[in-house]
Formats: sequence, C-alpha cells, structure tokens
Amino acid sequence: GAGVSQSPSNKVTEKGKDVELRCDPISGHTALYWYRQSLGQGLEFLIYFQGNSAPDKSGLPSDRFSAERTGGSVSTLTIQRTQQEDSAVYLCASSLWGDKAFFGQGTRLTVV
Amino acid sequence: AQSVTQPDIHITVSEGASLELRCNYSYGATPYLFWYVQSPGQGLQLLLKYFSGDTLVQGIKGFEAEFKRSQSSFNLRKPSVHWSDAAEYFCAVGAGNNRKLIWGLGTSLAVNP
Repeated sequence: GAGVSQSPSNKVTEKGKDVELRCDPISGHTALYWYRQSLGQGLEFLIYFQGNSAPDKSGLPSDRFSAERTGGSVSTLTIQRTQQEDSAVYLCASSLWGDKAFFGQGTRLTVV
Repeated sequence: AQSVTQPDIHITVSEGASLELRCNYSYGATPYLFWYVQSPGQGLQLLLKYFSGDTLVQGIKGFEAEFKRSQSSFNLRKPSVHWSDAAEYFCAVGAGNNRKLIWGLGTSLAVNP
C-alpha cells in the first residue's frame, strides 16, 4: 500500500486477555518502530527493527510485551495478559535507514 | 546517552505572532534531525528534516528550523502562526550507527484568536 497500515484501528479487550496488533509497513522500508502514546503524552518507544539486525527491545515495558517482524515486512506486537495500564494508542512507523519515518494511524487499545 | 529535550511542555501564542519551539539534543556526532506535528485526532506528519548542508531548512506549512551545532539545538520557527497550527510538536533525532529515532516529549501549542 501507499502508507503504513495498522490493524485493528480500535481494540477493546478484557483485562487478562492477550491481544495482537498488526503493522504493514511501506514496501521496501528497512526500519520499523513500535511506539505507545497515552492520552496527551509523548511517544514511548517500544521496539525497533532495522533490516536483519537484532531488534532493539529496550523500550518494552515488561515481558508481557513482544514483537515479531516476519520476512522483513509485516510486524505483530503482542501483549499478553493485558492490564488496564496498557490502554493507549499503539503507533507503528517505518522508514528507509536513517530517513524520515512514516506513521500509521495507530491502534487504540482499551483494556476494560 | 543520546537524548532529546523539548524544554517547553506547553506554549500559547496569539494568531499572527511569531513562534519558536526549542529542541536540544545530546549526541556526539551530527545526528539526523526531524520535526513532526500531530494535530488533534491526526497522525504524525513530518514538517522538515536536516541531514547535512545548509543549516536552515524549510519545511511544509511555512515552518523552518535551524541547526546550531555549537548549541546542539534544532529550533522550529514560524513567522506568523495560524489557528490551524495548534497541535503537538515533536522533535526527533536519528542517532547512532543504526540511526534509531529518539524523540522529545513534545510541545503542545495553543493559538489564541
């Protein structure tokens, strides 16, 4: 597609359930980021994939969070045993190495 | 450690007034520098970027930014603010061998009529 696509756009889940968030980056982009943005807050870095290098997972808040990027393209962010504090907008971005990042519209996750 | 600081959490200006949003970074070499805008309910949009060359860069919507190596700054400016400029502004740097983006916490801009 022409831009970064994220699905679902909205997700409501019960506390304790697992969720998967999907990101389709721009074709050919080697870098892919996941961020979390709480209401009125800045971007919280979660994880960074760059080409075939080992991902930078330094931003993942707990071991309940994990992410994969298959074939250097699509990425899935998984949150296990969701908690209410996980409620936020999860943003995905992709870029060519070092260049500007293109953001998806985000997935709004609500844990009830 | 690499970091980006946006000292102003919130700024209010009158429509038509000039604007300067501050951004300072901590990084040993010259990073790649970016400014993004996030309007209410909208995604993040790139305003401008600096990689090398002329230290004064022009962006969209009448914005410009100046890279000052001596001050480790990349401040965003606009000569005359419009009401539609009310938004959250984020400064980011691409640093390190992998050029991972590091973000400031953002500056919220309000525009008075």
